[in-house]
Amino acid sequence: EAGVAQSPRYKIIEKRQSVAFWCNPISGHATLYWYQQILGQGPKLLIQFQNNGVVDDSQLPKDRFSAERLKGVDSTLKIQPAKLEDSAVYLCASSLSASRTNEQFFGPGTRLTVL
Amino acid sequence: AQSVTQLDSQVPVFEEAPVELRCNYSSSVSVYLFWYVQYPNQGLQLLLKYLSGSTLVKGINGFEAEFNKSQTSFHLRKPSVHISDTAEYFCAVSALDTNAGKSTFGDGTTLTVKP
Repeated sequence: EAGVAQSPRYKIIEKRQSVAFWCNPISGHATLYWYQQILGQGPKLLIQFQNNGVVDDSQLPKDRFSAERLKGVDSTLKIQPAKLEDSAVYLCASSLSASRTNEQFFGPGTRLTVL
Repeated sequence: AQSVTQLDSQVPVFEEAPVELRCNYSSSVSVYLFWYVQYPNQGLQLLLKYLSGSTLVKGINGFEAEFNKSQTSFHLRKPSVHISDTAEYFCAVSALDTNAGKSTFGDGTTLTVKP
């Protein structure tokens, strides 16, 4: 079974530029998560989708971050404009459904460096 | 709200020695508990989870963890570590009063196994 795919793996941009990350979850997984992992910290949930609807975006900085999951499959996370403090690894994860007992499967992440 | 504290940021051990990675949590309601492992440049992988039942949980790669409700702890143990166990380990909690599927992660413990 193919895992969660993410691209690009690495991205370097200047502050105030825009950037987008792409995630393809495991086939059949209804729930998709985007996490931000700052160096030395654990992953922090940014947004959770159930199919193509948003379940939780309480920690998403909506003035600069946006995410969508059209057709309930692939997802894109965008930052516009980027700030220095956005430098982090952005992890995408998916699970069969939004149940606490379901395992989340993580992609390899996109490492963003903002200069 | 729930929180997770991983008591050691770095744990160096010699190969074939036992290891314990400590995790305490805080929550006013019942929780599910998880340990994930993250190898360099990879996403997180579930090691084990406690949902209910026996407080001693066995996971992959010879790891086990014990849920202690009175001490609000979920420490991870392995009787004999290998070089390949060198990685970052994250403890996570999912409280039963929050959005289903949402987990709060600790800041991680770096396990370094030396020959």
